[in-house]
Amino acid sequence: GAVVSQHPSWVICKSGTSVKIECRSLDFQATTMFWYRQFPKQSLMLMATSNEGSKATYEQGVEKDKFLINHASLTLSTLTVTSAHPEDSSFYICSAGRSNTFGSGTRLTVV
Amino acid sequence: QQQVKQSPQSLIVQKGGISIINCAYENTAFDYFPWYQQFPGKGPALLIAIRPDVSEKKEGRFTISFNKSAKQFSLHIMDSQPGDSATYFCAASPNYGGATNKLIFGTGTLLAVQP
Repeated sequence: GAVVSQHPSWVICKSGTSVKIECRSLDFQATTMFWYRQFPKQSLMLMATSNEGSKATYEQGVEKDKFLINHASLTLSTLTVTSAHPEDSSFYICSAGRSNTFGSGTRLTVV
Repeated sequence: QQQVKQSPQSLIVQKGGISIINCAYENTAFDYFPWYQQFPGKGPALLIAIRPDVSEKKEGRFTISFNKSAKQFSLHIMDSQPGDSATYFCAASPNYGGATNKLIFGTGTLLAVQP
């Protein structure tokens, strides 16, 4: 079945630095991937749609200059949280494929 | 119109009992309704999904009931087990099986199955 790998599984960074999260489709190609954010004990909120070879589509209220998305190949999308602040601390999860297979998530803690 | 309302927020069920979680939507453009199970610190995993042309779908102990006219759907977990204790999310998408299938998630239900 479809497998989506996400890396790293957790990261701690200092306020003001940038963090890159990778999402890979291991056994299929994905022209579209989705990035979600989940705060503790809350639901998943779609942040953006990552499109291979073109610009990402951001949901209303999501800062595109802060959350940089690159989808340079059919198996890899990256989310870079720029100038991270404590309020960006969250669980970031990607999904891909016709069955919306989710990665295992990345726990970001900004200190 | 983009919201998916989910209830209850939390649920306690005895082992062997039936767990029932309900969701409602407003956007008639939604045509794919999956349920996800999420354990702490993990990404959500697809349990079962349904399209609006079917009123019920069963896979093992999990059943989705769908009421198109009421714009409601529910998850039934039969013979609930302690291992089923997790957070369950319903979701909806305007594109089933298409290239773009972003999901709108419900608010989640924390299920605890007591032994």
